[in-house]
Amino acid sequence: EVQLVESGGGLVQPGRSLRLSCAASGFTFDDYAMHWVRQAPGKGLEWVSGISWNSGSIGYADSVKGRFTISRDNAKNSLYLQMNSLRAEDTALYYCARRYYGSGSYYFDYWGQGTLVTVSS
Amino acid sequence: SSELTQDPAVSVALGQTVRITCQGDSLRSYYASWYQQKPGQAPVLVIYGKNNRPSGIPDRFSGSSSGNTASLTITGAQAEDEADYYCNSRDSSGNLVVFGGGTKLTVL
Repeated sequence: EVQLVESGGGLVQPGRSLRLSCAASGFTFDDYAMHWVRQAPGKGLEWVSGISWNSGSIGYADSVKGRFTISRDNAKNSLYLQMNSLRAEDTALYYCARRYYGSGSYYFDYWGQGTLVTVSS
Repeated sequence: SSELTQDPAVSVALGQTVRITCQGDSLRSYYASWYQQKPGQAPVLVIYGKNNRPSGIPDRFSGSSSGNTASLTITGAQAEDEADYYCNSRDSSGNLVVFGGGTKLTVL
């Protein structure tokens, strides 16, 4: 059974840093690209960042570029998101999601339950 | 602002058919995928590719695409289909990922 379990969220002051983790199990982790997607309270889904299976390709949303860094450790079946210079608008539930390519399309086939990040003084 | 545009809200009578649309220039080149999200739950993939359903998704869900518009159709909507629906694809550059703003579906 595929499982994605996020951790590391919490309450943090503006300008501070936080590191999120996503522990993956039930599949061959280094076969897949992995992404972070967030959802602010009462708002829609927002793609944050993605990383290819070998970390050779990385992308960021404009809203987090230069402040967030995505990484992975295939030996530990883990995905990370280092978040620096946090702002109030970064307050959201952060989901880890597996990216799959099939039938001519990319899509997110598995999602974690999310970890909540609250940026407030 | 999102490069994929969805109507914020749509309603459908129980048992009737509803179409939820997603517009964006990138959809001329890339398929959309669709996600259902119920309150307090993580999103669930319902449609991907040309018109593919993951295992466990009822066949009343279908997808289609024409030009810059992708559509999710629910034929015979059920009460349990009441949820938020999001489309997803690449952005116009093809390098990044983007979600539509979401459509809240109400089943009357």
